Amino acid sequence: EPEVTQTPSHQVTQMGQEVILRCVPISNHLYFYWYRQILGQKVEFLVSFYNNEISEKSEIFDDQFSVERPDGSNFTLKIRSTKLEDSAMYFCASSDRNSNQPQHFGDGTRLSIL
Amino acid sequence: QKEVEQDPGPLSVPEGAIVSLNCTYSNSAFQYFMWYRQYSRKGPELLMYTYSSGNKEDGRFTAQVDKSSKYISLFIRDSQPSDSATYLCAMMDNYGQNFVFGPGTRLSVLP
Repeated sequence: EPEVTQTPSHQVTQMGQEVILRCVPISNHLYFYWYRQILGQKVEFLVSFYNNEISEKSEIFDDQFSVERPDGSNFTLKIRSTKLEDSAMYFCASSDRNSNQPQHFGDGTRLSIL
Repeated sequence: QKEVEQDPGPLSVPEGAIVSLNCTYSNSAFQYFMWYRQYSRKGPELLMYTYSSGNKEDGRFTAQVDKSSKYISLFIRDSQPSDSATYLCAMMDNYGQNFVFGPGTRLSVLP
């Protein structure tokens, strides 16, 4: 069964550094998403992306965050200047050609900010 | 009132038991309802996807939606130790927007 893949599985970064998290969504999917899960807390929506632009974003997704689809397969989340509170699991998800189709998730990248 | 509420558990049951997991929500615009299973250090895995009110069955899993009460349920029959995980309800509106997860219920099925 096709799946969403994320790399790296664990990223350790110094506070203030830029970090890029990478995702390869399911190949025929058109909608892409990023979520965050701080340890012990609920999964929180960050941003959705369709047709090469952001379609929806949450309050968490401030100017430090950006997303990009640099080619036909990758979808990236960049955090410009990381803070300690950015430490979390980051999940990428994708869904089929209609936005009301269920989202399929990758196994996440654990981001640790030192 | 939180948008989606779910008993965090932990819920412990013996192997073979019927498990009932529930969520309540406040936003009447939600039309699509999902249940995800999340194992430790893994991403949410889609179990069930339903539209509007009614029941849906898939193997040992049954999802129920009661939109009039803003209440959804997931039933697991003949529960197995491999069902031990966190179960997340999720929902979104008719346009696929406002996707939100519940906080999750931790389930332990004891052999």
